[in-house]
Amino acid sequence: GAVVSQHPSRVICKSGTSVKIECRSLDFQATTMFWYRQFPKQSLMLMATSNEGSKATYEQGVEKDKFLINHASLTLSTLTVTSAHPEDSSFYICSADLVGVTDTQYFGPGTRLTVL
Amino acid sequence: AQSVTQPDIHITVSEGASLELRCNYSYGATPYLFWYVQSPGQGLQLLLKYFSGDTLVQGIKGFEAEFKRSQSSFNLRKPSVHWSDAAEYFCAVGSGGTSYGKLTFGQGTILTVHP
Repeated sequence: GAVVSQHPSRVICKSGTSVKIECRSLDFQATTMFWYRQFPKQSLMLMATSNEGSKATYEQGVEKDKFLINHASLTLSTLTVTSAHPEDSSFYICSADLVGVTDTQYFGPGTRLTVL
Repeated sequence: AQSVTQPDIHITVSEGASLELRCNYSYGATPYLFWYVQSPGQGLQLLLKYFSGDTLVQGIKGFEAEFKRSQSSFNLRKPSVHWSDAAEYFCAVGSGGTSYGKLTFGQGTILTVHP
């Protein structure tokens, strides 16, 4: 089946630094990738939709200048958390849409971000 | 706005027992409905989905779900639970469009299986 990877799986950083999270579709091309955020004991919340070669579309309440998304190729999207603060600590999950099979998203394993 | 409610935060069943996980949704049009399972260290895996047609949907790992429009429900069932089914289960509703991509998830139900 289609596989989506994320790197790193865990990251700890100091407050004020920036962190980049990569999302890759390993064996398929994805025109669209999605970024979700999951707080402990809560559900996934969609942050943004990332389309290859165009600007990401952010959900209401998500700061686009804080969460920078780049989707430079059909297999890679990156999420950069800029000037991270403790309240940004969360589990970030990406998913990729399978081109030609438009009704299925494949999810990455997630990245645990802890900001000290 | 679309929303999903999973009333049960945590369910415990014995291995071999039947299982039903509840899901209620709110959506203005015909919903696209999904059930995902999340295991520690692994990404969400799609169990099954409903877009249209037969309201009883068969999925992987022996799961099935029934869409009931009158009750705005999409409950997940399995006749006999295995210990490996212990995980967290999410119901989701998707918007239309080419990718049905903007998913709204329920709060999740944690399933514990006793031997």
